[in-house]
Amino acid sequence: GIQVEQSPPDLILQEGANSTLRCNFSDSVNNLQWFHQNPWGQLINLFYIPSGTKQNGRLSATTVATERYSLLYISSSQTTDSGVYFCAVEDGTSGSRLTFGEGTQLTVNP
Amino acid sequence: GAVVSQHPSRVICKSGTSVKIECRSLDFQATTMFWYRQFPKQSLMLMATSNEGSKATYEQGVEKDKFLINHASLTLSTLTVTSAHPEDSSFYICSASKIRGATDTQYFGPGTRLTVL
Repeated sequence: GIQVEQSPPDLILQEGANSTLRCNFSDSVNNLQWFHQNPWGQLINLFYIPSGTKQNGRLSATTVATERYSLLYISSSQTTDSGVYFCAVEDGTSGSRLTFGEGTQLTVNP
Repeated sequence: GAVVSQHPSRVICKSGTSVKIECRSLDFQATTMFWYRQFPKQSLMLMATSNEGSKATYEQGVEKDKFLINHASLTLSTLTVTSAHPEDSSFYICSASKIRGATDTQYFGPGTRLTVL
């Protein structure tokens, strides 16, 4: 099946800093989603982005499908941005099943 | 829009008992629902996919007789962990999509933390 790799596995920032999270995938995808899992376990949809660029406030994401990677940008980070960020993909051969990466644990210190 | 709820949010049970977890789409019809399991500090692993009115499709290695899934309506799916054991303790998360068998955004519930003593 499709492989999903996220980097870095851990990231510690000071409040106000910017960061870039990366997601590499091993095959072409029909669907790619970025999620933020908060400390209580809730997965929050950030972006549905199989290709192109989207922005939502301080967050933006870019997926370059032909090169099989996606980037999540967080600008002016806040302590509430802390948590685990997951990238998940659907490769089109498995119905609508999502395969998750291992996640990036982000800690934003005040 | 696209809110998914789960009940209960946490449950503690004795070994050998069965536990039912409900997943509901509150403001949309979910033709497909998914059940995931997440162990501490790990990623989400898909357990099964259920389409309304059909039998669930289980991932390799997931025991269908132990994890019973029912998707009887367009807004409700249930996961029953039968004869639970301590190794079944985990965080169980459901998700729902509006479109069956096609690419669509999945919306996730808040999860259910199961502890088996």
